[in-house]
Amino acid sequence: TQLLEQSPQFLSIQEGENLTVYCNSSSVFSSLQWYRQEPGEGPVLLVTVVTGGEVKKLKRLTFQFGDARKDSSLHITAAQPGDTGLYLCAGSPEGEGAQKLVFGQGTRLTINP
Amino acid sequence: KAGVTQTPRYLIKTRGQQVTLSCSPISGHRSVSWYQQTPGQGLQFLFEYFSETQRNKGNFPGRFSGRQFSNSRSEMNVSTLELGDSALYLCASSLGSHGYTFGSGTRLTVV
Repeated sequence: TQLLEQSPQFLSIQEGENLTVYCNSSSVFSSLQWYRQEPGEGPVLLVTVVTGGEVKKLKRLTFQFGDARKDSSLHITAAQPGDTGLYLCAGSPEGEGAQKLVFGQGTRLTINP
Repeated sequence: KAGVTQTPRYLIKTRGQQVTLSCSPISGHRSVSWYQQTPGQGLQFLFEYFSETQRNKGNFPGRFSGRQFSNSRSEMNVSTLELGDSALYLCASSLGSHGYTFGSGTRLTVV
């Protein structure tokens, strides 16, 4: 069973601070995605990374895929209250078909004004 | 461009009953996946359909089934409902394998 462990599960910080969320596994993933979910809604795709060592930036968000394609991180610079939400990492296990996504448990992020 | 549409949004059923949930993918998307989301287990993969064929299946009992129609719309069915089936059921559609668009989900409560 491929597991994605996300940490921390909960994070509450002040506006303007930086933070990093981690997503780790002992399995190799052919691609890894990050989603953000608001209460009562489905997850919204933020980014997909497919190459080991890949780094993608989306405004104040930086996503990195580990060299061995077993882990990923999401770094937010100068967090704002609008960044509050549930962040989920999800991966396609190598060899199982890209159609099946394994999700981490999520990081519930709260940015206090 | 319309997103992924799931109906109904909310549903209350009694133990032992069966339920059918519907998902209309984004136009042109032929892949439709279903996920169950609960506070304890998070998001878990149920199954995925492409061109009316189930390509992948998660570790759920046979009470959970699905199908896809020629217009790519998909339904999932849960028979003999149990209290533990209470969850948010999410449908996602995709053009390829590197990014899914999720619907808002169907909140199923089994009493």
